[in-house]
Amino acid sequence: NAGVTQTPKFQVLKTGQSMTLQCAQDMNHEYMSWYRQDPGMGLRLIHYSVGAGITDQGEVPNGYNVSRSTTEDFPLRLLSAAPSQTSVYFCASRQPGLADHEQFFGPGTRLTVL
Amino acid sequence: AQSVTQLGSHVSVSEGALVLLRCNYSSSVPPYLFWYVQYPNQGLQLLLKYTTGATLVKGINGFEAEFKKSETSFHLTKPSAHMSDAAEYFCAVSPSGAGSYQLTFGKGTKLSVIP
Repeated sequence: NAGVTQTPKFQVLKTGQSMTLQCAQDMNHEYMSWYRQDPGMGLRLIHYSVGAGITDQGEVPNGYNVSRSTTEDFPLRLLSAAPSQTSVYFCASRQPGLADHEQFFGPGTRLTVL
Repeated sequence: AQSVTQLGSHVSVSEGALVLLRCNYSSSVPPYLFWYVQYPNQGLQLLLKYTTGATLVKGINGFEAEFKKSETSFHLTKPSAHMSDAAEYFCAVSPSGAGSYQLTFGKGTKLSVIP
C-alpha cells in the first residue's frame, strides 16, 4: 500500500491564483481530513470528510473548498490564493469504528503564496 | 471542546540525558492521546498512543508516555537522548467516542540534542 499520497510536494503561487492540492489514499478509509501547519501553531484542521459526498468545516476553513466524489480522493482547492495561505498542508485518513482513532498522514505539500 | 497545551516550544538536552516533553490536555470526555514526531522537512510519524488499559505506553525509538488522568497529562519521556531524536514533537487528543473525527494538536515542541 502507498498509504496517503499528496501532490505536489512544493508549489509557489501568486496572490489571486487558484490551485488544487491533491490527496489520495489506498486504505479504503472513510474519514479524510486536511490540516495546515504553521510555525508555532501546530496543525489546524481545515476541512474533513466522513465519506464520499459528505464534507464539513474544521477550525480554519475560510479560503478553501473541498469535495469528496470517491472514497480514495479528497482534493483541497484554493480559489484565490492569499499570502496568509502560505503553509505546509497535510492530508490524513483513518477508518471510523477502529478503537484507536489513529490517523495516517501524507508527506505534505509546502505552499508559498507571493 | 478539547485543547492541548505543550509546555516549552523549544527544549534542549545533552546527548545521553533524559528527554521530558510535557503535554496537558482538556477534554469534556475521556480522550485518546497521541504523540507524533516530525523530522525536518518530513511528514508526521506516530510515536505512541493511549486509548484504554495500561496508562504507561511504550512507543518507537525508546520513547514512552504515561497517562495521568488526575493531572490531565500525557508527558513523553526517553531515558537517554540520541542525536537522531532532534525533531519536533506534537501531542494530540481525540475524544474517545465512536463518532469523533477531529484530532486536536498542541503547538509542538522542538527538541534539540547537544553533543
